[in-house]
Amino acid sequence: AQSVAQPEDQVNVAEGNPLTVKCTYSVSGNPYLFWYVQYPNRGLQFLLKYITGDNLVKGSYGFEAEFNKSQTSFHLKKPSALVSDSALYFCAVRDKSGYGQNFVFGPGTRLSVLP
Amino acid sequence: ETGVTQTPRHLVMGMTNKKSLKCEQHLGHNAMYWYKQSAKKPLELMFVYSLEERVENNSVPSRFSPECPNSSHLFLHLHTLQPEDSALYLCASSQDWEGAYGYTFGSGTRLTVV
Repeated sequence: AQSVAQPEDQVNVAEGNPLTVKCTYSVSGNPYLFWYVQYPNRGLQFLLKYITGDNLVKGSYGFEAEFNKSQTSFHLKKPSALVSDSALYFCAVRDKSGYGQNFVFGPGTRLSVLP
Repeated sequence: ETGVTQTPRHLVMGMTNKKSLKCEQHLGHNAMYWYKQSAKKPLELMFVYSLEERVENNSVPSRFSPECPNSSHLFLHLHTLQPEDSALYLCASSQDWEGAYGYTFGSGTRLTVV
């Protein structure tokens, strides 16, 4: 079975400070890993993904994430947070070899960037 | 706009009504999905279509009935819903069922059942 956890319901950070939104996963094989962001009354928007290759992945709006296989983590980071980054963030995972399986989404982490 | 368009954006319906949600994509994607997003709950996958054939139905009540007439359009027909069905219904598409390129989501339909 595959699963994903986002251990924090809410993350608060001051504008200009670095931010981290945590994600850990469980799959039997190698994972596809994604981060999505959701603004109020909108659908989810793709931020970045890890498929293969470099463990550090860079995405939209200055976000990046590091794939750590030994810790089964894919934490989302940004060096300097903006108030406009305030939103709901979802991590999603799928086992690459899991034919017929769909992505599993985490419960979401609400990020609040305070001015 | 993401390339996936959902209509209507908001819908209020009584428990005896019949209504339909519409999703349209012109991204050339071959897979389409319906998700339910409720407050305080994870995203729930409802239906998956790949090349216009339903490939998954996650034990969704029969009062929800999907239809995929072609690879660009996806409908969710609703009838005799319950108040607990009130939620944001999201449509998504992907290049293929593998999903390795990620999903493109619509903005959703906010459904309220009264």
